[in-house]
Amino acid sequence: ETGVTQSPTHLIKTRGQQVTLRCSSQSGHNTVSWYQQALGQGPQFIFQYYREEENGRGNFPPRFSGLQFPNYSSELNVNALELDDSALYLCASSLGGGNEQYFGPGTRLTVT
Amino acid sequence: QKEVEQDPGPLSVPEGAIVSLNCTYSNSAFQYFMWYRQYSRKGPELLMYTYSSGNKEDGRFTAQVDKSSKYISLFIRDSQPSDSATYLCAMRLQGGSEKLVFGKGTKLTVNP
Repeated sequence: ETGVTQSPTHLIKTRGQQVTLRCSSQSGHNTVSWYQQALGQGPQFIFQYYREEENGRGNFPPRFSGLQFPNYSSELNVNALELDDSALYLCASSLGGGNEQYFGPGTRLTVT
Repeated sequence: QKEVEQDPGPLSVPEGAIVSLNCTYSNSAFQYFMWYRQYSRKGPELLMYTYSSGNKEDGRFTAQVDKSSKYISLFIRDSQPSDSATYLCAMRLQGGSEKLVFGKGTKLTVNP
């Protein structure tokens, strides 16, 4: 059974640029959630996708957007990057319906 | 008041000690309670997952939920240096987007 994978591992971008982060869910999981974890903080919920539809969104601006594909993998897109977007971006997958969420290793984004 | 409060520590204990980690929360509608372990620069790893009140034991780990006091605990018996990590509590409502609300995390060091 393959766990949750994310790419890339690290990324450095300049303020104002756009970035796309990718996540492959654990085998059999149909739900993907994205979280942002700033240094020294707990993860903050960005949004969740269930069967290719957005299924809830946290307190993040519209420049944070996402997609889920038929194979349940997912992308997180961030436009007009700001310095405060520097963080560890985590993807978690689950079977939905109240089951456990399993996290990937994260993508560390640095905005300069 | 934050929805989930967790003392960030740091907490330093000798090997073999019993460790007690705690979180309080304000939303009485939370039904699912989790503990994650996060090693430095890695994704969170699910340790314990409980529904509603009560105790759950898994090896050296015991999770307790007291919904009347809005208080959850994780106990680690016979702590090992490999337990050194940040421990995150998380919780969520029943139904809806399955958004996890995290505490800030407690940094634990177990000294050999």
